[in-house]
Amino acid sequence: QVQLVESGGGLVKPGGSLRLSCAASGFTFSDFYMTWVRQAPGKGLECLSYISPSAGSIKYADSVKGRFTISRDNAKNSLYLQMNSLSAEDTAVYYCSRDPRLLDYWGQGTLVTVSS
Amino acid sequence: DVVMTQSPLSLPVTLGQPASISCRSSQSLVYSDGNTYLNWFHQRPGQSPRRLIYKVSNRDSGVPDRFSGSGSGTDFTLEISRVEAEDLGVYYCMQGTHWVFTFGQGTKLEIK
Repeated sequence: QVQLVESGGGLVKPGGSLRLSCAASGFTFSDFYMTWVRQAPGKGLECLSYISPSAGSIKYADSVKGRFTISRDNAKNSLYLQMNSLSAEDTAVYYCSRDPRLLDYWGQGTLVTVSS
Repeated sequence: DVVMTQSPLSLPVTLGQPASISCRSSQSLVYSDGNTYLNWFHQRPGQSPRRLIYKVSNRDSGVPDRFSGSGSGTDFTLEISRVEAEDLGVYYCMQGTHWVFTFGQGTKLEIK
């Protein structure tokens, strides 16, 4: 069965950096576009970025462009999100998901808290 | 960005009764491949969202047939024929046609 497991969240100071990981299993990871979606506490859902199977196509939302970098390692069945210059507005649960147009499977999420 | 507008934002329901949620997009959601990427998700407190309906009207595996999706272009609807206790939570529509893909504000389904 498809499984997506995020890790790497935690408490970070404003201006700091964090790298999130998403371990995929139960499907051929290298065949699928992957994406990151976040949800601020008590708020709605926001698509942040997606990456094509070969990493040849990458998109970002304006809210994270220039600060966040999405990447993947198909040999390790893993998706990543490097987050720099973090601010309080980036505090959220971060989810990885499969197929950005359809979001058919989601991980359990990892909480990122940006606070001094 | 495409704005997704859901209504109502709060939906008090009686168990066993029907419920309906509307979702309108600020642009047509018909993609160049002919598909309309309008999806519906359900989220319970403390859980990840779960997809219920994809491409307007296709029910996901394991989703009860009391859930149905309809619509076209810019107007879409999620209907629950008879609400059960497990259906409570927040429902989101989401468009996957125009990047950046966007969600509606969410509709909270709660007991009347």
